Amino acid sequence: QKEVEQDPGPLSVPEGAIVSLNCTYSNSAFQYFMWYRQYSRKGPELLMYTYSSGNKEDGRFTAQVDKSSKYISLFIRDSQPSDSATYLCAMSPSGGSYIPTFGRGTSLIVHP
Amino acid sequence: DADVTQTPRNRITKTGKRIMLECSQTKGHDRMYWYRQDPGLGLQLIYYSFDVKDINKGEISDGYSVSRQAQAKFSLSLESAIPNQTALYFCATSDSGPSGELFFGEGSRLTVL
Repeated sequence: QKEVEQDPGPLSVPEGAIVSLNCTYSNSAFQYFMWYRQYSRKGPELLMYTYSSGNKEDGRFTAQVDKSSKYISLFIRDSQPSDSATYLCAMSPSGGSYIPTFGRGTSLIVHP
Repeated sequence: DADVTQTPRNRITKTGKRIMLECSQTKGHDRMYWYRQDPGLGLQLIYYSFDVKDINKGEISDGYSVSRQAQAKFSLSLESAIPNQTALYFCATSDSGPSGELFFGEGSRLTVL
């Protein structure tokens, strides 16, 4: 079993829908949780970053971390065709090298 | 200009050939990384370097080698390419802080025939 599990999709939704993307993990040492967005033929870019448990909101995007369940989520409200991309979760422990462990990525398609 | 530049962007080669992928950065970061991305497998860490004199193996280093020529330059070599090394390769940089945000290049697509 991989340390970070993420359903690769694809997830296809209509424009305006609320999107929920999720990852589970097994390493209880993870403290830093990130979501990267990767457009086709581009490198990933950091979208959201959260430390420990709780919620973080940035515009249409909300990141949630539930450390008791080892489960993290990214919600996208009022999804747009421009949100079509692959979303990768990543997480790293406190201390040490801080090198993140990535999920496989979920492909999201928002159709007009 | 991009903060993290990879060359070449695309390369087709034959089995047994030596290939070098190059990465340069203008972020001023000490840390540099090479990742491989395959469809459905996410990003796998090949090698990483925390400074010019520091080189570390990642999850999948077999068949690869690296060289950190300067703070800003980190190259990945395939000494004898094989078809299952066909993949998209990414270079990334980060600072040493706990946020660990990675800044990626645009990728080098390698095809080994």
